[in-house]
Amino acid sequence: DMKVTQMPRYLIKRMGENVLLECGQDMSHETMYWYRQDPGLGLQLIYISYDVDSNSEGDIPKGYRVSRKKREHFSLILDSAKTNQTSVYFCASSLEGDEQYFGPGTRLTVL
Amino acid sequence: GEQVEQRPPHLSVREGDSAFIICTYTDSATAYFYWYKQEPGAGLQLLMSVFSNVDRKEEQGLTVLLNKKDKRLSLNLTAAHPGDSAVYFCAVKDTGYQNFYFGKGTSLTVIP
Repeated sequence: DMKVTQMPRYLIKRMGENVLLECGQDMSHETMYWYRQDPGLGLQLIYISYDVDSNSEGDIPKGYRVSRKKREHFSLILDSAKTNQTSVYFCASSLEGDEQYFGPGTRLTVL
Repeated sequence: GEQVEQRPPHLSVREGDSAFIICTYTDSATAYFYWYKQEPGAGLQLLMSVFSNVDRKEEQGLTVLLNKKDKRLSLNLTAAHPGDSAVYFCAVKDTGYQNFYFGKGTSLTVIP
């Protein structure tokens, strides 16, 4: 069963706290993505990972970093979260840049 | 870089009517085209993908038209039903690159 999972689904943090969002996929896809989705803005690419330890900034990488130590896992880290990072975060994976498979999203609130 | 415009941002149709969504893109090298559906509280679900050598594709009540000359991609839902109510996104991608460019979405409401 092809699947992208995200943990946690909901998260509330205070400004200045660290945030770790996890994404997993069971399809052995080499490419994985992190997006954020805000009302009226659609999906904005934060980071793209082409494989283990091969990551590239997307359109809005400031304030975020990523880690990919295994092909099936891709983490998004917010060091010292800010209120403007309140958003819904989506992870996706694709095989050789073909269609993307999306996770269910993580709704992050930074107070 | 690639710019994708999607319209309308909101669309309301009656059950049984058609719903029509358009996306335009700017990069003539764009080769892959996608339509996604997002239901409330969920991720994006792929509806249909089209390669640039296809002008028209139909599947299960959905019709995708691709006009490469005008750089326009459209999605037509025929005979919409309330279960089609969702946000629809178009996405495009160049050959050889793995970055996808998304439209800002169309919120479709199908009125029973």
